[in-house]
Amino acid sequence: DTGVSQDPRHKITKRGQNVTFRCDPISEHNRLYWYRQTLGQGPEFLTYFQNEAQLEKSRLLSDRFSAERPKGSFSTLEIQRTEQGDSAMYLCASSQLPLTSGRLSTGELFFGEGSRLTVL
Amino acid sequence: AQKITQTQPGMFVQEKEAVTLDCTYDTSDPSYGLFWYKQPSSGEMIFLIYQGSYDQQNATEGRYSLNFQKARKSANLVISASQLGDSAMYFCAMRDSSGGYQKVTFGTGTKLQVIP
Repeated sequence: DTGVSQDPRHKITKRGQNVTFRCDPISEHNRLYWYRQTLGQGPEFLTYFQNEAQLEKSRLLSDRFSAERPKGSFSTLEIQRTEQGDSAMYLCASSQLPLTSGRLSTGELFFGEGSRLTVL
Repeated sequence: AQKITQTQPGMFVQEKEAVTLDCTYDTSDPSYGLFWYKQPSSGEMIFLIYQGSYDQQNATEGRYSLNFQKARKSANLVISASQLGDSAMYFCAMRDSSGGYQKVTFGTGTKLQVIP
């Protein structure tokens, strides 16, 4: 399988516990995104990596959230001291760098199946 | 201000009819890309169609076409000959650099229901 994979698919935890999600992007993709999606809403941008560099973080990402992408391959998203409001689907996506000779090529995002977090 | 606005929370369409899903966007970046994604009840995000800001013609992919009106900053998705399997959430998204780095921002989505 050469798609984006996320692990675990489901996580139930008690409030105050730490959780970590892993994302393995498509191997030749140098861009990796994390989004959070709650029921009936669109994906909300959390953070974005180009290779190993974390280029942007949303204001939604409190100090309890941290993301890494060591060596520019897989990425982890850790949530410390979870709260019930953290319950959501956490989506990872990867893309290739669009060619930029004055134009953008597609560079569409390829999504994983998501990691669903339930905080009790 | 919202970067991507989808004003239709829900839409109904009769099977075999065409339907238009609205999307407006806001960016100061002259070079940007617009995407539409489909999310069935199973949850996976499926890429449908892409329009670049410099593209002269509207994008088409099978039954999907994008009505791109640059001056109005709109990028509406048209689905022709609707099928029952088209029932899903549809999200409009934009990639631009107006925030400093390229990132992709999604709208709140439109839930499409196809009626037999």
